[in-house]
Amino acid sequence: GNSVTQMEGPVTLSEEAFLTINCTYTATGYPSLFWYVQYPGEGLQLLLKATKADDKGSNKGFEATYRKETTSFHLEKGSVQVSDSAVYFCALPQGGSEKLVFGKGTKLTVNP
Amino acid sequence: GAGVSQTPSNKVTEKGKYVELRCDPISGHTALYWYRQSLGQGPEFLIYFQGTGAADDSGLPNDRFFAVRPEGSVSTLKIQRTERGDSAVYLCASSLITGLDTGELFFGEGSRLTVL
Repeated sequence: GNSVTQMEGPVTLSEEAFLTINCTYTATGYPSLFWYVQYPGEGLQLLLKATKADDKGSNKGFEATYRKETTSFHLEKGSVQVSDSAVYFCALPQGGSEKLVFGKGTKLTVNP
Repeated sequence: GAGVSQTPSNKVTEKGKYVELRCDPISGHTALYWYRQSLGQGPEFLIYFQGTGAADDSGLPNDRFFAVRPEGSVSTLKIQRTERGDSAVYLCASSLITGLDTGELFFGEGSRLTVL
């Protein structure tokens, strides 16, 4: 079945540093790809998504490009803020079903 | 409320006891999902409802786990004869439409279950 492998954390950065969180996937066909974020004390929420190859999803300064050649969907942000401290999850649907398969999550801490 | 509401937020129980976890989805959302998240892991799918019926319960780990959604809104996850390995955060999510390609899941804050 479909699966994702996500860069393990934790990741600690200083404010304004560049962020990359790697995500690679294994899938049948070309499903949509998602990044979800979980801020402290809050529920998971969708950060961005891409629905087809070469699409770029973006939100709150974060970007991720759906690359079928490398089966990757890496999350990037040019200048992180303290408020970006959270756990980030890469996800994709499980083969034509309503299930989302999540990576293990990457905890990001941004220090002032 | 505006978001997905889950109760209780924390539940501590003893091994062998019965537990119910409740999810109140966003009004009008037809699809409802239960996930389980163990420490250091991503959410793991348990069951998905479309309306009142369980469209996919393939993620339920064994027959001690059961979920209902009798009126197509509130859902209850029921765990019988709890075991220490059931300790986790149980997440509920809802969506307006079932298309994961066009919609998104709205998650509650979860119910943390601890089995002593």
